[in-house]
Amino acid sequence: DGGITQSPKYLFRKEGQNVTLSCEQNLNHDAMYWYRQDPGQGLRLIYYSQIVNDFQKGDIAEGYSVSREKKESFPLTVTSAQKNPTAFYLCASSLQGLAGPNTGELFFGEGSRLTVL
Amino acid sequence: GESVGLHLPTLSVQEGDNSIINCAYSNSASDYFIWYKQESGKGPQFIIDIRSNMDKRQGQRVTVLLNKTVKHLSLQIAATQPGDSAVYFCAEKGLGTGRRALTFGSGTRLQVQP
Repeated sequence: DGGITQSPKYLFRKEGQNVTLSCEQNLNHDAMYWYRQDPGQGLRLIYYSQIVNDFQKGDIAEGYSVSREKKESFPLTVTSAQKNPTAFYLCASSLQGLAGPNTGELFFGEGSRLTVL
Repeated sequence: GESVGLHLPTLSVQEGDNSIINCAYSNSASDYFIWYKQESGKGPQFIIDIRSNMDKRQGQRVTVLLNKTVKHLSLQIAATQPGDSAVYFCAEKGLGTGRRALTFGSGTRLQVQP
């Protein structure tokens, strides 16, 4: 079945360590997104990518990095510069980028919960 | 700045009643809106969407109403069931901001009482 796969589902990190969250989609979608969700709050945009080899910062990009070397993959690295990384991270994709009149449903993965010890 | 917000953080309804979840937005250039449902520990799931050239759109047991005059969006769920218990988010995409992603509200938790 087509969908978005995030891994790992749960991840623990020591302070000062970088960690990478995986996001893979087999939907042949052009655009991919990373959102962060804190308890009782909405989703905040970290990074997004409209096409391969291109990505843009969202609202809270500081302390995070991404790459988009392949259409189906959009990994997120949480660096030691991120001061409060404990959160639920959600990856999403859409068939086309949301530019201009293009609309479209975002398909979300099941999320990765990162806890800093 | 531009934002998408919700009037009520928690809504409690009796099983079988209709539910109405509200959302206010401030970006007058927003042209597309989506409602998502998120169950505990899972990713959000699409419910229904609406373009700004529409006032109303219906799906299965759900209706979205858009009032552009007061920049208000609502999600109506008919005959609410226990399985509807979740957090509901509205999201919007705005023209003219250069932003190529959805902006989400803070969510409303719907609790369905048996």
